Amino acid sequence: DTAVSQTPKYLVTQMGNDKSIKCEQNLGHDTMYWYKQDSKKFLKIMFSYNNKELIINETVPNRFSPKSPDKAHLNLHINSLELGDSAVYFCASSLGTLTNEQYFGPGTRLTVT
Amino acid sequence: GEDVEQSLFLSVREGDSSVINCTYTDSSSTYLYWYKQEPGAGLQLLTYIFSNMDMKQDQRLTVLLNKKDKHLSLRIADTQTGDSAIYFCAESLRSSGSARQLTFGSGTQLTVLP
Repeated sequence: DTAVSQTPKYLVTQMGNDKSIKCEQNLGHDTMYWYKQDSKKFLKIMFSYNNKELIINETVPNRFSPKSPDKAHLNLHINSLELGDSAVYFCASSLGTLTNEQYFGPGTRLTVT
Repeated sequence: GEDVEQSLFLSVREGDSSVINCTYTDSSSTYLYWYKQEPGAGLQLLTYIFSNMDMKQDQRLTVLLNKKDKHLSLRIADTQTGDSAIYFCAESLRSSGSARQLTFGSGTQLTVLP
């Protein structure tokens, strides 16, 4: 009974391709997040959705487009992949937007060649 | 500023106590968090402390908060090899409207030696 799940776990693709990462949570949370963790383990928020509405949109290239079809899902689509997009992408969820007690998925390791 | 700073590495012997330190910048942070990341896994929330508290204890974990110095620490008593992981502290900052977001430190790699 996985709480926050992501697919795929690994993604290897070539520069210029378009790819999507999917995230689902079964915790009944109303807020979901995407983070990027670089090779030095530095973790930075990219987006956050609350009740399907975008509430946090950090300085991220517009090649990255999140989409939340419902409260339990938050997908990340990346156009025209670049080498610098290689990282581990984590999805997380929380109940509400104030306490930030966030639960993380296992991550998707994206490698762009 | 939004920098949260941690030392990068810490090695301890099994059975000893580990102390991981963190400094944060935003005095308006209401909650401060410690997360653990094991190799190849996501982040796991270990514990958190509300900003009006000085200390919180949870089994082998003790969190100390010094608001004046904006210093947070995590003490792990009787450290075990299974505690080897990266530990992240995070502060909760106001983002847009009423939303808050987490800003993470760089993580401290804890290595427990037998």
